[in-house]
Formats: sequence, structure tokens, C-alpha cells
Amino acid sequence: EDQVTQSPEALRLQEGESSSLNCSYTVSGLRGLFWYRQDPGKGPEFLFTLYSAGEEKEKERLKATLTKKESFLHITAPKPEDSATYLCAVQAPGGGNKLTFGTGTQLKVEL
Amino acid sequence: DTGVSQDPRHKITKRGQNVTFRCDPISEHNRLYWYRQTLGQGPEFLTYFQNEAQLEKSRLLSDRFSAERPKGSFSTLEIQRTEQGDSAMYLCASSPTFSGGNTIYFGEGSWLTVV
Repeated sequence: EDQVTQSPEALRLQEGESSSLNCSYTVSGLRGLFWYRQDPGKGPEFLFTLYSAGEEKEKERLKATLTKKESFLHITAPKPEDSATYLCAVQAPGGGNKLTFGTGTQLKVEL
Repeated sequence: DTGVSQDPRHKITKRGQNVTFRCDPISEHNRLYWYRQTLGQGPEFLTYFQNEAQLEKSRLLSDRFSAERPKGSFSTLEIQRTEQGDSAMYLCASSPTFSGGNTIYFGEGSWLTVV
């Protein structure tokens, strides 16, 4: 069974204080690893898809990396508007591309 | 707005009543998914359709839950005889077939509170 574990559960940063979120996964043949951002009361917003170990993707202050066992979401010089829950999910072959999610990391960036 | 649309956004119902949620996917996407999310948890897969065919259902989808996608466009999720444990956010998502990419895009969700 596919499993995704995210750490830490919650993270509090000062504005400008860079950090990383971790996503460890177990999956039978990774088709893709996804990062989503979720604001309170809203649906997940797509950020990145990573397909193979060594791949990296960037968007503004966010950079996602992938190894064979885990993915990291690096946040550089965060701002208060980066405060959200960040969800990691894996996609295995078959099953209509459905996603298996972790429980998320709740990030709060303070002034 | 060409994203995934869900209606209603919020629903409060009494235990034992039936509720129905509607989802309109992104127009060119032929895969449609339903997920459920409770506070502090990630979304959990319930079921998915490819066009009008329901191809997989999770163990989470009890007999009180039924989903349809009659013409391969919008979908409905009905919960019969609601229980307090059904309180959650119900998320709809869509994606193209593999040739169009495999990213899954979510709607804003429908919050259900059973009192």
C-alpha cells in the first residue's frame, strides 16, 4: 500500500527565514510526486509535479526536489503570504492516476 | 473561471437526511475524482470516473454513498442517511487522460456538517 509521511506537522518561521519541508514516501512504481498548497477552507492548489529522482522544480520562493525515497520543498526567504498547509501526494501506475496524500505541513510565516 | 466548480460550498444537514453535491470538471478533462478530507488530514480517495464509467471505488465509500457522471460531464455525489461521521470536506478533482498530462486539479470543496 502506498504511504506518504510529511514532517514536520507544523512549522513556524520568521519572514525571511528559509527552511525545508520533508515528504517521505513508499510506492510501488512512482508515476509522479505532487506538491499542493492548501489555504484554510479551500481546495488544494497545484504547485509541482516531479517524476524522477534528481529532478528539481522552482516557482517563486519554492523549490521542490526528489530522491528515490523522499521529496523536499525548500522555501527561500518566506513571506507571510506563504502561510498555508503544504500537501505532498504520490501517484502510482494504474488506478486512474489517483493520488495518495500525506497529512500535510502547516506553515506559518510571521513578520 | 475554467477551474473545477463545486456546489454547494457549504451544507448543514440533520442526521438521517440525504445530501447531494455537484461537481463540474475542467471542460476538456475526462477523468473526475471525489476525495474526502477531515480536519488535520490529507484528502482521501473515494472514487473516480473516466468519462461516464465509474472505474474504482475506495473501501471508504460505504453503501450510503453513490456517485454518478451520467453524460461524462458533471458528476454528483449523494450521501443517504447521513451520520455525524460524514462531516467533512468533499473535494472534486479532474485530470486529462495521460496524453494530456496526469496532473489532478481540485475544486474548492463542499463542506458538510451533519448535526
